Amino acid sequence: GENVEQHPSTLSVQEGDSAVIKCTYSDSASNYFPWYKQELGKRPQLIIDIRSNVGEKKDQRIAVTLNKTAKHFSLHITETQPEDSAVYFCAASTNFGNEKLTFGTGTRLTIIP
Amino acid sequence: DVKVTQSSRYLVKRTGEKVFLECVQDMDHENMFWYRQDPGLGLRLIYFSYDVKMKEKGDIPEGYSVSREKKERFSLILESASTNQTSMYLCASSQTRLYNEQFFGPGTRLTVL
Repeated sequence: GENVEQHPSTLSVQEGDSAVIKCTYSDSASNYFPWYKQELGKRPQLIIDIRSNVGEKKDQRIAVTLNKTAKHFSLHITETQPEDSAVYFCAASTNFGNEKLTFGTGTRLTIIP
Repeated sequence: DVKVTQSSRYLVKRTGEKVFLECVQDMDHENMFWYRQDPGLGLRLIYFSYDVKMKEKGDIPEGYSVSREKKERFSLILESASTNQTSMYLCASSQTRLYNEQFFGPGTRLTVL
């Protein structure tokens, strides 16, 4: 089955700096890669996703990149703000997201004021 | 607005007890999922269901069973609770379509003594 590895497990950045979280996947058939954000004490919520036919997608201060050849994808957050502090999970799916997701182990991002 | 609710936020049970965790969604979603969240291990899929009375094993089904008698309700059952099942349990639901978002419930923190 699919295996998703996520790094780093914890990340601290100064407010205003950029943060990058990286994930690798094992199944070359994976074709959908969402990112979920979980704030302290709250439920995970989708923040951005990317499909296998796209190399990069951007939404305001967050962007995702996908390298299918290397089987890795990354989340980039620019101009970080205190509200970006959360646990971020990457995930992968082999059926365009129309069934189960395999999640990474999560990255706890802390923004230092 | 999608709403996924879980029967309890906190639950304390004894070893050997039978435990029921209930999840209800109000958006007529076909897919429902049960995850377990542990620090450093991310979100691990226990069971999922594509339709009423249908169930599929996830990555860690041992020690668990599920029931889906109605479309809106998905129950997770611990037949004989053990201390290693102490964890946060998250339910999620999604539509049957491509690139669809999973909507999570608030979670149930289960402690088995």
